[in-house]
Amino acid sequence: QKEVEQNSGPLSVPEGAIASLNCTYSDRGSQSFFWYRQYSGKSPELIMFIYSNGDKEDGRFTAQLNKASQYVSLLIRDSQPSDSATYLCAVNWGRSGAGSYQLTFGKGTKLSVIP
Amino acid sequence: ETGVTQSPTHLIKTRGQQVTLRCSSQSGHNTVSWYQQALGQGPQFIFQYYREEENGRGNFPPRFSGLQFPNYSSELNVNALELDDSALYLCASGGGTEAFFGQGTRLTVV
Repeated sequence: QKEVEQNSGPLSVPEGAIASLNCTYSDRGSQSFFWYRQYSGKSPELIMFIYSNGDKEDGRFTAQLNKASQYVSLLIRDSQPSDSATYLCAVNWGRSGAGSYQLTFGKGTKLSVIP
Repeated sequence: ETGVTQSPTHLIKTRGQQVTLRCSSQSGHNTVSWYQQALGQGPQFIFQYYREEENGRGNFPPRFSGLQFPNYSSELNVNALELDDSALYLCASGGGTEAFFGQGTRLTVV
């Protein structure tokens, strides 16, 4: 059973602070990992993906992956009120090479950035 | 804008009816996946099509079926609708390392 666990929150941080979102997954064979942001009533929006152990940075966002611990996280620096949303962690267990996107999602963590 | 378009955006159906949802994939993307997202939950994988063939399926009954067309557009069909089928249905297309979602179809079954 492929499972993805996230703390549902809500996680509240003050504006300008670092928000840290965490995710664990059960399938050791998983190869790729995604973070999506979802505003209320909208569809998920891709923030980042990561394949290799370590950190990957894109602007204010840093994804961290530790395959040995089956753990992936997302850091948001200089958090803004517009970052307030639900953040979904997803693990791709589809076959590689065919552009397979059989994603297992966590339930999401609701983030509130307080002005 | 992701280039993935779904129709309709909202739909109300009666229990027992059938529904067809449509997705137009981003140009160059030959893989399309469908997801169901109930309120307060993460999306759940229904199935995926690659070059017009189903090549992966989640834990959904056979009354959930689909098609992918040569132009890579896709349909999700649900027969014998149940109240629990009420959800946001998402289509995602990909062509490499990333999967992008359409805006979704909100289905309400009454």
